[in-house]
This record gives sequence, structure tokens and C-alpha cells, in this order.
Amino acid sequence: NAGVMQNPRHLVRRRGQEARLRCSPMKGHSHVYWYRQLPEEGLKFMVYLQKENIIDESGMPKERFSAEFPKEGPSILRIQQVVRGDSAAYFCASSSRTGRPRRGTEAFFGQGTRLTVV
Amino acid sequence: QQQVKQSPQSLIVQKGGISIINCAYENTAFDYFPWYQQFPGKGPALLIAIRPDVSEKKEGRFTISFNKSAKQFSLHIMDSQPGDSATYFCAASMNTGFQKLVFGTGTRLLVSP
Repeated sequence: NAGVMQNPRHLVRRRGQEARLRCSPMKGHSHVYWYRQLPEEGLKFMVYLQKENIIDESGMPKERFSAEFPKEGPSILRIQQVVRGDSAAYFCASSSRTGRPRRGTEAFFGQGTRLTVV
Repeated sequence: QQQVKQSPQSLIVQKGGISIINCAYENTAFDYFPWYQQFPGKGPALLIAIRPDVSEKKEGRFTISFNKSAKQFSLHIMDSQPGDSATYFCAASMNTGFQKLVFGTGTRLLVSP
């Protein structure tokens, strides 16, 4: 059972371009979370999605950022018109259920996509 | 109030020693406190977690101590090994129905041989 798969692992974009980050959750997982990790900081929650639904996007910047988790295919985090401040590691996590986490149902993280804006 | 404060920022421990990392929180609605281990270039991996109804949880060489009244919790790594060298994050979440984690800023642990 493969873990959470994120691609690309590294992404370089020029200012003003668009960045698309993909996340394939673990098999059987229908809950996806995106976090951002700035250099020397902890991870910060961005958005929580279930299949075809955004449940909580309280951590998403109001502009330029969007996320989706379609019925088929990976979850996508999209950043339009990237700026240098968007440079960070973006992590996706998935879980098999919602509610209080317990052993076996906790969220598992992917290896992240490191976005560099030049 | 949503913050989790973590210290120290970095830690060097000799092999066989005890590594101790501390976290503090303000929001009393937090009811789940996990610790994550992250190696360079990898995603965080759940190490151990505790709920506020217990004061201590031990799994192998890893122990969480929890002080509800002080709103503090800590990770102890006994008999630290070079393979434990990694960045450790504490986190907290509320029972919102999904796992929205608030992370500390991380502690970079180096265990010297």
C-alpha cells in the first residue's frame, strides 16, 4: 500500500507563473489536508477536503490559492501568479476517516513539494 | 491563542542520553497532542500522541508527559541514538471532527555518537 504521493517533489516557478501541486492520498483515504511549511517554521494548516468538497479552507490565503479534490484523480493545490513569498514546502496528508484520530486512522503525510519562486 | 510554543529550537544530546523537548499551548479546547518526527527531505511521521485525560504515555523509548493545569506537554527520548537525529514537531488539535493540526515551530535534534 503506497503512502501519500506528492508530485512534483521540487518545483521552480518564475514570479507570475502558476504552480500546480498534486497529491494522491493513500488507498482507501478520502480525506485530504494541505499544509505549508515556511523555512525554519512549523507546518501551517491550509485546507481540508473530502471528495469533491472543500470542508475547511480557513488557512488558505484569500487570493491566488485554490484547492480541489475531484471524484477521480489527485487533489490539486493551485497557486496563481506566484510571488517569492510563496516559496515553501507544501505537504499533503490523508486519513481514512474524520473525527477524533486514533491509532490506524491518523493522518499520514506525503514527502512534500518544495516550491521555489525565482 | 491558536499557537503551540515549542522549545528548544535545537538540541544536541550524546548517544545514550535523554532528549527532552517542551511545548506549551493556550487554547484549552485542544484535546489531542501528537508528536511528529521529520527527517530531511521527508514528510512528518507520527511518533506518539496523547489525550489530556492521561498524564503520561510511553511507547518504547519515547514518552509524552502531559500537564493539563500548566497547559504543557513534553517529549522524552530515552537512550537517544544517532538515528533519532531529526526535527521534532509537537502539535495540537481540537475535536472539530477532522484533524486540523496546529504545529509548534520544531526542534532540531542531533544525537552525537
